[in-house]
Amino acid sequence: AQTVTQSQPEMSVQEAETVTLSCTYDTSENNYYLFWYKQPPSRQMILVIRQEAYKQQNATENRFSVNFQKAAKSFSLKISDSQLGDTAMYFCAHPTINDMRFGAGTRLTVKP
Amino acid sequence: SQTIHQWPATLVQPVGSPLSLECTVEGTSNPNLYWYRQAAGRGLQLLFYSVGIGQISSEVPQNLSASRPQDRQFILSSKKLLLSDSGFYLCAISIGGNTEAFFGQGTRLTVV
Repeated sequence: AQTVTQSQPEMSVQEAETVTLSCTYDTSENNYYLFWYKQPPSRQMILVIRQEAYKQQNATENRFSVNFQKAAKSFSLKISDSQLGDTAMYFCAHPTINDMRFGAGTRLTVKP
Repeated sequence: SQTIHQWPATLVQPVGSPLSLECTVEGTSNPNLYWYRQAAGRGLQLLFYSVGIGQISSEVPQNLSASRPQDRQFILSSKKLLLSDSGFYLCAISIGGNTEAFFGQGTRLTVV
C-alpha cells in the first residue's frame, strides 16, 4: 500500500525565519507526483507546490521550495521568510491512479 | 477551471438520524471523486473514491455509504448516524488520476 509519513506533528518558527517540514513516502511507481497542501484555520485545502518525480530539479514557488530525494523517498518543504499567514496545517500527498494519500499533517505556527 | 460545490457547510444531527451530503462539480467531466473525513486537528482519512458513474470503492468499513448517480455528483450518506461520525468532511476531485486533488469547502458535521 502507498503510505505517506510526516513525523513532525507540530512545529513553530519565528516570523521571517526559515522552516523545513519533513515527509517520506512509499511507492512502487517510477513516475509520479508529490504535493504539499496547506490547510489554514478556514480548513480550505490549498495546493502549495507540486513535484514530478521524473524531474530532478526541485520545485520552487516563491517562498516555498522542496527538497526531493527520489532514492530516499523523501520530500521536504522549505518555507523561507516565514509570514504569519503561513500558520496552518501542512499535508504531504502522493497520488496514485485511483486515489490520493495524505500524511498525518504538520501544524506550523509562525510566531511574531 | 473546475469548481467543487459542497453543502451544507455546517450540520448538526442527532444520533440515529440519516445523513446526505452532496458534492457537485463544474468545469470538467469524468473526474475522479473522493470523500475524506478529518477529525479535529488530524489528518485526512480517505473514505470513498469513484472513477466513474456507479463505481464506488470504500477504504474502511463504516457506517457511511457513497453513491455517484451522475458523472459530476457524489453523495455521502448514512441511514443512522453515530457519535463517531462527527468530523469535517471534504469532497475532492482529480482529473485523470495521479494528479493533484482539488477540494470543496467542506462540511462540519456534529452528531449530538
